[in-house]
Amino acid sequence: RKEVEQDPGPFNVPEGATVAFNCTYSNSASQSFFWYRQDCRKEPKLLMSVYSSGNEDGRFTAQLNRASQYISLLIRDSKLSDSATYLCVVNARDDKIIFGKGTRLHILP
Amino acid sequence: GAGVSQSPSNKVTEKGKDVELRCDPISGHTALYWYRQSLGQGLEFLIYFQGNSAPDKSGLPSDRFSAERTGGSVSTLTIQRTQQEDSAVYLCASRAPGPGQPQHFGDGTRLSIL
Repeated sequence: RKEVEQDPGPFNVPEGATVAFNCTYSNSASQSFFWYRQDCRKEPKLLMSVYSSGNEDGRFTAQLNRASQYISLLIRDSKLSDSATYLCVVNARDDKIIFGKGTRLHILP
Repeated sequence: GAGVSQSPSNKVTEKGKDVELRCDPISGHTALYWYRQSLGQGLEFLIYFQGNSAPDKSGLPSDRFSAERTGGSVSTLTIQRTQQEDSAVYLCASRAPGPGQPQHFGDGTRLSIL
């Protein structure tokens, strides 16, 4: 099993729709979780941290399920500007940081 | 405040030459990471520095690659005798001390080997 796995997509979603994607991780000792977005030919940028109780930032909601070892990202009322690759990031206790390969999202007008 | 700064932004060089890429992390960030990303691919971990500890070099693809971090701040990634397969974007990230801190990335150096 890969350390961090994501569906590569692409997810093609009409503008205004809700889209969700998951990320699974293999190390049960993982401590910190993040979602980053990466635009084409740009560096990854932090979208949000993921907390055990779940957290929301505007149209974005992140959830953590430690029992099943996955995190999720939900985007509501999607905008054209949400088109990007979304990277799942997991920090193990020993500071080892693992990036998923990313999920490509295309918002269609 | 200032973010992670990388230089040069772009580097074009001939096969066989040596190159040096520089990363200036955010002030106070003790952890520094180097990654490589080829077009359309995910991030490939290269090396990690944490404070004064020995670096984690487990991701360096060959002995042509080396990195150092002087004074716990600026880092230099050196590629000797460059090959065409070294062409990629080289990204540096730094992270503040403490649990739950995210990485912050520089804009990267786009390296092209002719």
